[in-house]
Amino acid sequence: EAGVAQSPRYKIIEKRQSVAFWCNPISGHATLYWYQQILGQGPKLLIQFQNNGVVDDSQLPKDRFSAERLKGVDSTLKIQPAKLEDSAVYLCASSLDRGNQPQHFGDGTRLSIL
Amino acid sequence: AQSVSQHNHHVILSEAASLELGCNYSYGGTVNLFWYVQYPGQHLQLLLKYFSGDPLVKGIKGFEAEFIKSKFSFNLRKPSVQWSDTAEYFCAVNPYGNNRLAFGKGNQVVVIP
Repeated sequence: EAGVAQSPRYKIIEKRQSVAFWCNPISGHATLYWYQQILGQGPKLLIQFQNNGVVDDSQLPKDRFSAERLKGVDSTLKIQPAKLEDSAVYLCASSLDRGNQPQHFGDGTRLSIL
Repeated sequence: AQSVSQHNHHVILSEAASLELGCNYSYGGTVNLFWYVQYPGQHLQLLLKYFSGDPLVKGIKGFEAEFIKSKFSFNLRKPSVQWSDTAEYFCAVNPYGNNRLAFGKGNQVVVIP
């Protein structure tokens, strides 16, 4: 079974620039998650999709972060404009559905803001 | 909202030593509990999970964890570690039926050959 695919693996930008990350979940997984993992901390949920609808975006900084999953499969997460504190690894995960299912994680995108 | 505490962020031990990592959570209702592992250069992988039933759960690579409801704990154990167990270990919890996972800060474990 192919895992969760993310790109790019690394991204370096200057503050105030914009950046986008892409995620393709495991085939058949209805639920998709984006997490932010700051160095020395555990992953923090940013947004959760069920098919193409947002289930939970309560921890997403909506003034600068946005995400979409238009066709209910792959997803993009965007930051515009980026701040220094956005330096982190952005993880995508997927699960079969919202219920009691384990999440499968991608390799993440490591973002550095200069 | 639920929260997860992991102590002793950095653990260094020799091969064949026993490992125990503590995990405590704060949430009043029924929860699902997980331990994830991240080997160097790899993605987070599920080590083991507890949904219901026997509170002693066994995972991959000889790991086990015990859910003690009265202590809000889900500690991870391995009787004899190997060099290949060098990794970062994360405890995570979500309310039963809701996949909103809360992670602890992780334990960086280094096993010296």
